[in-house]
Amino acid sequence: DTGVSQDPRHKITKRGQNVTFRCDPISEHNRLYWYRQTLGQGPEFLTYFQNEAQLEKSRLLSDRFSAERPKGSFSTLEIQRTEQGDSAMYLCASRADLAAEAFFGQGTRLTVV
Amino acid sequence: ILNVEQSPQSLHVQEGDSTNFTCSFPSSNFYALHWYRWETAKSPEALFVMTLNGDEKKKGRISATLNTKEGYSYLYIKGSQPEDSATYLCASISGAGSYQLTFGKGTKLSVIP
Repeated sequence: DTGVSQDPRHKITKRGQNVTFRCDPISEHNRLYWYRQTLGQGPEFLTYFQNEAQLEKSRLLSDRFSAERPKGSFSTLEIQRTEQGDSAMYLCASRADLAAEAFFGQGTRLTVV
Repeated sequence: ILNVEQSPQSLHVQEGDSTNFTCSFPSSNFYALHWYRWETAKSPEALFVMTLNGDEKKKGRISATLNTKEGYSYLYIKGSQPEDSATYLCASISGAGSYQLTFGKGTKLSVIP
């Protein structure tokens, strides 16, 4: 296992388009998190999966955002009708259990023009 | 303290200098405190996971302390090297909900050769 991987690494899209990002966590980790990081800020929590169940969503996650984790393996984060304010680094992390460190992917850098 | 706060925001030190950063976090319902190092173009990487009041952990030239009663943690780097240049993030975990990591904005360290 090579760690958490995210795809794509970079995405430039026009305002109003839909985008989808993928995260492949470490295979034995059942906890998966999505974070968003903007300039000058730390990573902000978006949503959490335990296996295939989405157990928590941040108020930051508007109706245009949806995340899935079918079969409790990889996860996707979709943003519909992108806005310039969606431009950010989207990070995925997985953890083995509540006491464990999080392992992060390298992130997807989204630029909405 | 409602949020996780880190200081200073950025720091420039000469190679060989020792330095330290502060992380303040909510002390109520505390579960764990994590420190991560995030180098440019890489994934955030865990340095320490700390849970016990008075805990002190060390990894090479880097060490951290934890005070859960007053809600702060210090990260120390002894004899800074250029390869220590990175953003250092702390994240607090409360014992509720998804046990998500709540991050500070980070301290950006630049070590000048």
